[in-house]
Amino acid sequence: GQSLEQPSEVTAVEGAIVQINCTYQTSGFYGLSWYQQHDGGAPTFLSYNALDGLEETGRFSSFLSRSDSYGYLLLQELQMKDSASYFCAGIDTDKLIFGTGTRLQVFP
Amino acid sequence: SAVISQKPSRDICQRGTSLTIQCQVDSQVTMMFWYRQQPGQSLTLIATANQGSEATYESGFVIDKFPISRPNLTFSTLTVSNMSPEDSSIYLCSVEGVGARREQYFGPGTRLTVT
Repeated sequence: GQSLEQPSEVTAVEGAIVQINCTYQTSGFYGLSWYQQHDGGAPTFLSYNALDGLEETGRFSSFLSRSDSYGYLLLQELQMKDSASYFCAGIDTDKLIFGTGTRLQVFP
Repeated sequence: SAVISQKPSRDICQRGTSLTIQCQVDSQVTMMFWYRQQPGQSLTLIATANQGSEATYESGFVIDKFPISRPNLTFSTLTVSNMSPEDSSIYLCSVEGVGARREQYFGPGTRLTVT
């Protein structure tokens, strides 16, 4: 089967840097994406790694290592509005398989 | 990008009844996806709906329980049949964008409570 594991919760203070890890077991993903979901809201796309390495998009960066079946989302200069749930998602042919999700709480 | 609307936004239903959820997209798309998200949990793919063919269901989900229609390239419905309290969840539809990033756009969701 396919599964993507994430820490259930991460806490940090404003201005800090936090890393959310995602480890997966699968026969093969085409890439790894990250989504943010605020309470009561719909998931929104953050980033996508098709290849190994680091992708940077403003305060958010995402990393993928296929050989290690591992990726992470790095959030810098944390703001209160970053408090949300974050999901990695493996791209399997024509569908997404979502990770277990990480709830990030940012404190002042 | 794609703008997706869902109806209803929420509903409270009695066990044993059925509810049909509508999903409308502002552009033509090949595939539409239906997810379930239970409170505090991740998203679980129910099925992929292709226009002109039967939906493809994921393990643990069956057509008799979650029949899906896809009459055209901008619209789909998901029916939750013979509901039980365990079906209480948020149901989301999504579509994939056309770019290389494989970005999916989600509707606002339908919050279903079964009593």
